Amino acid sequence: AAGVIQSPRHLIKEKRETATLKCYPIPRHDTVYWYQQGPGQDPQFLISFYEKMQSDKGSIPDRFSAQQFSDYHSELNMSSLELGDSALYFCASSASGRSSYEQYFGPGTRLTVT
Amino acid sequence: EDQVTQSPEALRLQEGESSSLNCSYTVSGLRGLFWYRQDPGKGPEFLFTLYSAGEEKEKERLKATLTKKESFLHITAPKPEDSATYLCAVPPGGTSYGKLTFGQGTILTVHP
Repeated sequence: AAGVIQSPRHLIKEKRETATLKCYPIPRHDTVYWYQQGPGQDPQFLISFYEKMQSDKGSIPDRFSAQQFSDYHSELNMSSLELGDSALYFCASSASGRSSYEQYFGPGTRLTVT
Repeated sequence: EDQVTQSPEALRLQEGESSSLNCSYTVSGLRGLFWYRQDPGKGPEFLFTLYSAGEEKEKERLKATLTKKESFLHITAPKPEDSATYLCAVPPGGTSYGKLTFGQGTILTVHP
């Protein structure tokens, strides 16, 4: 079965640079979620989109922005990167209109800021 | 505010030694509880969804149960390949969708 696709899988950036992470949800899934996971921590919710509209916002820094496109893929844009932004970034997707709303996670993008 | 607490933080078992992981939650109007397995450096892998107290679900050596205050993940006769971090998570109270609040996870290590 098709899964959530994230790219790139690994990214190394320097402080103050920008980064763009991409997420392709499971086919027919219309909701995308972004999570950040630091070493030894549980995933922390950043932001979500339903039908291309922002549906919820968590602890996402103002330096970050995201959007969902007409083909339902999503991009997380990160500017003025800081050392503390180094983490695993996961995208998850779910299908609305179903009883379960189960979120399926992608393999993640490991961002390292030096 | 929704809270999810998992215990123990780490669990070491011998192959074949059954045990249980606990997930306690404080959510107003629980509409679902999810269990995930996460291997190091990989995305959480969906295991189960539980919706109501008394519900049970099984998958191979794993069985998840739910009460009004907590969920248990029972592991029967574990194998080394069951070693991973097990996470439980809940959606916002009163809904079955939305941002998930995760517990800190239980790191399970199964020795051969």
